[in-house]
Amino acid sequence: DTAVSQTPKYLVTQMGNDKSIKCEQNLGHDTMYWYKQDSKKFLKIMFSYNNKELIINETVPNRFSPKSPDKAHLNLHINSLELGDSAVYFCASSYPISGANVLTFGAGSRLTVL
Amino acid sequence: GNSVTQMEGPVTLSEEAFLTINCTYTATGYPSLFWYVQYPGEGLQLLLKATKADDKGSNKGFEATYRKETTSFHLEKGSVQVSDSAVYFCALSKAGNNRKLIWGLGTSLAVNP
Repeated sequence: DTAVSQTPKYLVTQMGNDKSIKCEQNLGHDTMYWYKQDSKKFLKIMFSYNNKELIINETVPNRFSPKSPDKAHLNLHINSLELGDSAVYFCASSYPISGANVLTFGAGSRLTVL
Repeated sequence: GNSVTQMEGPVTLSEEAFLTINCTYTATGYPSLFWYVQYPGEGLQLLLKATKADDKGSNKGFEATYRKETTSFHLEKGSVQVSDSAVYFCALSKAGNNRKLIWGLGTSLAVNP
């Protein structure tokens, strides 16, 4: 059973288009995240939701809009795609162990904007 | 503010060599410390963690000790394998910080047969 699953795994699209990435976790975690990883492997947090409430909203263009219909799902919609949006987007969920947050990541969605 | 500094890669080793990847941090109080590993084409996965000073995290032959006096959490393995080739990320988190992890830049390791 996949713990954190993202779809699609690959996405190739033209500049200016709108696209969505979906994420689901079956771990019962209460917090979910979207991360962006660039070609140099740098990880940048974008958003985090706790029990459907937005708790982290980093400096991200407002073309990116997350939606959490329930605590097992967190989707990412991107409007008016730009070349610089090309990256791998990771969904993750977390739970606390001894006060520390342990993240479980999905396999990633590679977005290529042409 | 809080930050994590990792040694730059890429690191290239021969099989059975000793590995050290340095990680130092800046944080107030007592953060929890982590090493995550990312194998090619996959998402990150937790390798080990330590939640208080002098704790040693260990998994799959890897170890790291939480050293508050040197603010370090260096990753070590006595004998690497080709299958250890991956990118390794050091990270910290602090309680009450909206569960946000602070990440290092990652260190790429390539192990040759």
